[in-house]
Amino acid sequence: GAGVSQSPSNKVTEKGKDVELRCDPISGHTALYWYRQSLGQGLEFLIYFQGNSAPDKSGLPSDRFSAERTGGSVSTLTIQRTQQEDSAVYLCASSLTASRVNTEAFFGQGTRLTVV
Amino acid sequence: AQKVTQAQTEISVVEKEDVTLDCVYETRDTTYYLFWYKQPPSGELVFLIRRNSFDEQNEISGRYSWNFQKSTSSFNFTITASQVVDSAVYFCALRGAQKLVFGQGTRLTINP
Repeated sequence: GAGVSQSPSNKVTEKGKDVELRCDPISGHTALYWYRQSLGQGLEFLIYFQGNSAPDKSGLPSDRFSAERTGGSVSTLTIQRTQQEDSAVYLCASSLTASRVNTEAFFGQGTRLTVV
Repeated sequence: AQKVTQAQTEISVVEKEDVTLDCVYETRDTTYYLFWYKQPPSGELVFLIRRNSFDEQNEISGRYSWNFQKSTSSFNFTITASQVVDSAVYFCALRGAQKLVFGQGTRLTINP
């Protein structure tokens, strides 16, 4: 597609339920990033993929969070047993590659997750 | 470790004033890039500029200008003759060894 696409745009879930957030990167982009932005806060790095591999998962807050990427394209971020502190906007970005530092990342509109 | 610090949490100015957003970074990488992004109220981050670690030439694009000083590890962003449409959260970011790290952002409000 023309840009990074994320779905759903909004998600309200009950505490304790699992959620899946989807990111469809720009076609041809091999690097994909997930960030979390809590209300009024900065961007917290979660994980990034180069192809289907995740060289850096250091930002995942707990073992309730996991992510995968298949076919070097779509990525899914899964949060199990959601907690209220998981409420945030989850942003996905893609870039041509992660191995060249000069490539800028393009962001999707984000998924606003609310845990009630 | 990589770190980006934007010490100014919020700035509010009157339209047509000049405003400078500060960004200080830390990295051990010898090759790195710095970026500025804008996040308007709509929420989507918009790429503004990138600068590599070997190029300290300042850049001007219309009302926007960027000052990169490697000696002080700073990459400041100035908006000249600010306009209400410039109101947004601005993020400075650093990419060294693959991971793109962001500062906490500066919320800029331009009042008419």
